[in-house]
Amino acid sequence: KAGVTQTPRYLIKTRGQQVTLSCSPISGHRSVSWYQQTPGQGLQFLFEYFSETQRNKGNFPGRFSGRQFSNSRSEMNVSTLELGDSALYLCASSLATSSGNTIYFGEGSWLTVV
Amino acid sequence: AQSVTQPDIHITVSEGASLELRCNYSYGATPYLFWYVQSPGQGLQLLLKYFSGDTLVQGIKGFEAEFKRSQSSFNLRKPSVHWSDAAEYFCAVATNRDDKIIFGKGTRLHILP
Repeated sequence: KAGVTQTPRYLIKTRGQQVTLSCSPISGHRSVSWYQQTPGQGLQFLFEYFSETQRNKGNFPGRFSGRQFSNSRSEMNVSTLELGDSALYLCASSLATSSGNTIYFGEGSWLTVV
Repeated sequence: AQSVTQPDIHITVSEGASLELRCNYSYGATPYLFWYVQSPGQGLQLLLKYFSGDTLVQGIKGFEAEFKRSQSSFNLRKPSVHWSDAAEYFCAVATNRDDKIIFGKGTRLHILP
């Protein structure tokens, strides 16, 4: 079955703009998580959605937001972009069943802020 | 709060040599533990996971990891590395099935021909 799909794969924005990234989870997966990856900070958890509700949130400013739709697809939005927001944004999905929280990652969206 | 430490930022081994990547976690109870691999420009791929039971876990691509509660460690091993194993490896921990997963900073593996 298809994996986690993220769009767009690459994008360039200017400071002050906003960006929306999209994630389609593996079919049947109801949990979607977002991570930011930078060389300096590594992988940092942004937030997790399950059944359209935000279940967990990392330590990011309010400029970072997300949502999940009824079909489990998720979007994240970053407003008023800063240079430091340049990163690889990874989406991951999981069944969130009793077998544990195994998550499967997409290939990411590379955001460059200039 | 739980945390993960990967003490080695870079490791270089020769092709065919054995490999051990270190991972230590901080958490009071038994955590869920994972190892992921990331090739350049790619997302993360799950290598293996430990939830309970046998402390020696077999994964894909010939990797294994051993959970040692007394040392709070979950080291990744491979008896003989291949050039295609060059990548970045991330250890991760979750404290229950609904909790967020915390990743270590990663260890970049270099393979010498």
